[in-house]
Amino acid sequence: DTVLTQSPALAVSPGERVSISCRASEGVNSYMHWYQQKPGQQPKLLIYKASNLASGVPARFSGSGSGTDFTLTIDPVEADDTATYFCQQSWNDPPTFGGGTKLELK
Amino acid sequence: QVQLKETGPGLVQPTQTLSITCTVSGFSLTNYYMQWVRQTPGKGLEWMGFIRSGGSTEYNSEFKSRLSISRDTSKNQVFLKMNSLKTEDTGVYYCARLYNYYFDYWGQGIMVTVSS
Repeated sequence: DTVLTQSPALAVSPGERVSISCRASEGVNSYMHWYQQKPGQQPKLLIYKASNLASGVPARFSGSGSGTDFTLTIDPVEADDTATYFCQQSWNDPPTFGGGTKLELK
Repeated sequence: QVQLKETGPGLVQPTQTLSITCTVSGFSLTNYYMQWVRQTPGKGLEWMGFIRSGGSTEYNSEFKSRLSISRDTSKNQVFLKMNSLKTEDTGVYYCARLYNYYFDYWGQGIMVTVSS
């Protein structure tokens, strides 16, 4: 299975820019997607196919990358962005998820 | 609008069978693939399997021998059945809609505890 590696946690101050990385163990083309999950809630789609903003998602969120290295950027970070962010690939079978990056605000 | 909601037991005994229903509204099951994804403390988010718009199924090999996904289109419901439950199966189970290779809508999830 394709393993997706994310750093476990990040802490940033409101107003700053933050980049969350996801590295795949094998190429996934551009079929990488990003989700936000707040405590007690289901994951919510933020970015699909590496760089496309999902409907209703603020333009502060953006995605980039292809192949094996991908980045979710939030600029500027707001207090409401406190959450865990997951990457997910759908190029290789089975679909797999990263372990998540917990974003905390200072 | 699109809605998905999982229902089922919150507590299941080890070795028993888990049955969860996902009831959807705002779209037709005959137009979309429906997925089951679980989130456990040990393994995080795991894709379990899906049922295609045409009704055929695919399963993660991790669960293949004990997982079954089916549906009733007349009731807008998708079903998950998994047998031989273990304590490691404790977690939150989600149904999600697949659109163009990504999961665009998720249910609220149902917490399942496997314990005697």
